[in-house]
Amino acid sequence: AQSVSQHNHHVILSEAASLELGCNYSYGGTVNLFWYVQYPGQHLQLLLKYFSGDPLVKGIKGFEAEFIKSKFSFNLRKPSVQWSDTAEYFCAVSPDDHSWGKLQFGAGTQVVVTP
Amino acid sequence: DAGVTQSPTHLIKTRGQQVTLRCSPKSGHDTVSWYQQALGQGPQFIFQYYEEEERQRGNFPDRFSGHQFPNYSSELNVNALLLGDSALYLCASSLNGGEETQYFGPGTRLLVL
Repeated sequence: AQSVSQHNHHVILSEAASLELGCNYSYGGTVNLFWYVQYPGQHLQLLLKYFSGDPLVKGIKGFEAEFIKSKFSFNLRKPSVQWSDTAEYFCAVSPDDHSWGKLQFGAGTQVVVTP
Repeated sequence: DAGVTQSPTHLIKTRGQQVTLRCSPKSGHDTVSWYQQALGQGPQFIFQYYEEEERQRGNFPDRFSGHQFPNYSSELNVNALLLGDSALYLCASSLNGGEETQYFGPGTRLLVL
């Protein structure tokens, strides 16, 4: 069965530190990949997405993610975090096989950035 | 440009009751997907509606049903509520039968007592 795993449930780091959140999926076919973010009190927002092409994807607010097909991974990175990056981050996968946007989410990673 | 809206924002029901949640998609979007997000977990796909028909369904029992109207808005109905149905219910809209990026609403928080 298809699954999405996020390596860390909670991450605490200081402002200006670098952030990397791991995401692995188990699916044998072609997939579309997403990172969504949920800021405190707000709804889920799209950070970035990968459908095809360059495996290094740049998103909003300085985030980027790299798709490594051989490792079934789509890790999220930001070189220098800010206090405003405190949020919950979700990796999601959608099979590119006429499942038409049936997103499967990981359990999420709660990120806390301290001043 | 109005985003995805959902109503109500919060709801309290008792076991065995029925509930209807509503969603209005982002302007121009024709596809609506529903997700259940239990506390501490990621959203779980319930089903998707396109052209007023259920196009895909996740691993949820028949107690969960839905509808899409000609204006693309949608309802989620849950019958015979269980305590375990307590969750945040999210609606997401997209274009072209779900091929494009999904945009999420704020959710409806359902508490079943």
